[in-house]
Amino acid sequence: GQQVMQIPQYQHVQEGEDFTTYCNSSTTLSNIQWYKQRPGGHPVFLIQLVKSGEVKKQKRLTFQFGEAKKNSSLHITATQTTDVGTYFCAGPGSGAGSYQLTFGKGTKLSVIP
Amino acid sequence: DAGVIQSPRHEVTEMGQEVTLRCKPISGHDYLFWYRQTMMRGLELLIYFNNNVPIDDSGMPEDRFSAKMPNASFSTLKIQPSEPRDSAVYFCASSPDRWGNTDTQYFGPGTRLTVL
Repeated sequence: GQQVMQIPQYQHVQEGEDFTTYCNSSTTLSNIQWYKQRPGGHPVFLIQLVKSGEVKKQKRLTFQFGEAKKNSSLHITATQTTDVGTYFCAGPGSGAGSYQLTFGKGTKLSVIP
Repeated sequence: DAGVIQSPRHEVTEMGQEVTLRCKPISGHDYLFWYRQTMMRGLELLIYFNNNVPIDDSGMPEDRFSAKMPNASFSTLKIQPSEPRDSAVYFCASSPDRWGNTDTQYFGPGTRLTVL
């Protein structure tokens, strides 16, 4: 079945440093979604990318979708303590399974003040 | 909107007992998903419904797990009998069908289950 892999699993950064997490799929994706889960919380939708090579920004967060639509990245510029949490990418299944999402294992970000 | 509502928020039970988790999706959402989250396995899809009908239950670990959606505003996930390895956070999520394909999923706060 479809696999979605994320690296790194953990990342510790000093406040103000940049952070990037990478997501790779074993299959071509029609779209990719990113979620953030704060410690003790639940996943919250951040963004969806649909087009090949698409780049979207949300303040200090930059999301990219690869040209082949098999990989994606999330980059945070000048991290803040409010960025702490686990970031997940998720890709849809194919065909009849296209409404379900396969989540990566996530990248847990710690920010040292 | 109240968002997705789950109850109970925490459940501690003994091995062999029946556990029922409850979910109220966001009104108007056509899709409802049950997930399990553990440190080892991450976020796993157990089952999902479309318009109250189960579509894919291939993620349900075994026959001890069952899920129902008797109407558009309520779903249950039942574990009978429960085992210590079922300890996890169980999330319910709902999704509209605006785009004709995978749409944003809205997660509930989760139920933290501990089986002793």
